[in-house]
Amino acid sequence: GAGVSQSPRYKVAKRGQDVALRCDPISGHVSLFWYQQALGQGPEFLTYFQNEAQLDKSGLPSDRFFAERPEGSVSTLKIQRTQQEDSAVYLCASSLGPRGGLRPQHFGDGTRLSIL
Amino acid sequence: AQKITQTQPGMFVQEKEAVTLDCTYDTSDPSYGLFWYKQPSSGEMIFLIYQGSYDQQNATEGRYSLNFQKARKSANLVISASQLGDSAMYFCAMREVNNAGNMLTFGGGTRLMVKP
Repeated sequence: GAGVSQSPRYKVAKRGQDVALRCDPISGHVSLFWYQQALGQGPEFLTYFQNEAQLDKSGLPSDRFFAERPEGSVSTLKIQRTQQEDSAVYLCASSLGPRGGLRPQHFGDGTRLSIL
Repeated sequence: AQKITQTQPGMFVQEKEAVTLDCTYDTSDPSYGLFWYKQPSSGEMIFLIYQGSYDQQNATEGRYSLNFQKARKSANLVISASQLGDSAMYFCAMREVNNAGNMLTFGGGTRLMVKP
């Protein structure tokens, strides 16, 4: 597709359930990023992939958060045993260049996660 | 310390007038990029404009221009001839070349409201 695609657009889950969020980056984009955006705030970095390698996961808030990109294209962000504080918009972004590039990141529409 | 500071939580501008959104940043990396993104109420993050730390001229993209003052560490966004569709959240972000993760660090955003 032309842009970054994320699904689902909205997700409601009960506290304690596991959720999986999908990101389909722009074709050919090497770098993929996940961000978390709390209501009324700027996005905060979660994790970064270069192709299939997860080079930085320093922003993941706990070991309940797990991300993968097994074939270097589609990525999944999984949150286990969800908590209310996980409620946020999860944004995926991709960019053409690998490490060292300053090309802009292109974002998807995000997944709005609500934990009841 | 905050890496990106946007001091204006909200701004009003009259339609067809120009508006400046402030952004200051903090980095010790000599090579970095500064980005502005627009986020309408629908949630998608739209890339607007980019300025590299070594660029000699201020970046311009249509009605958007970036007033880059390196010594002051500021990168203000100027929108000329405001339109009703410009009403949105605006985020300033920075990417440091020597940062291993290549992530964007965002400010807290400015909500711009264009009055008819």
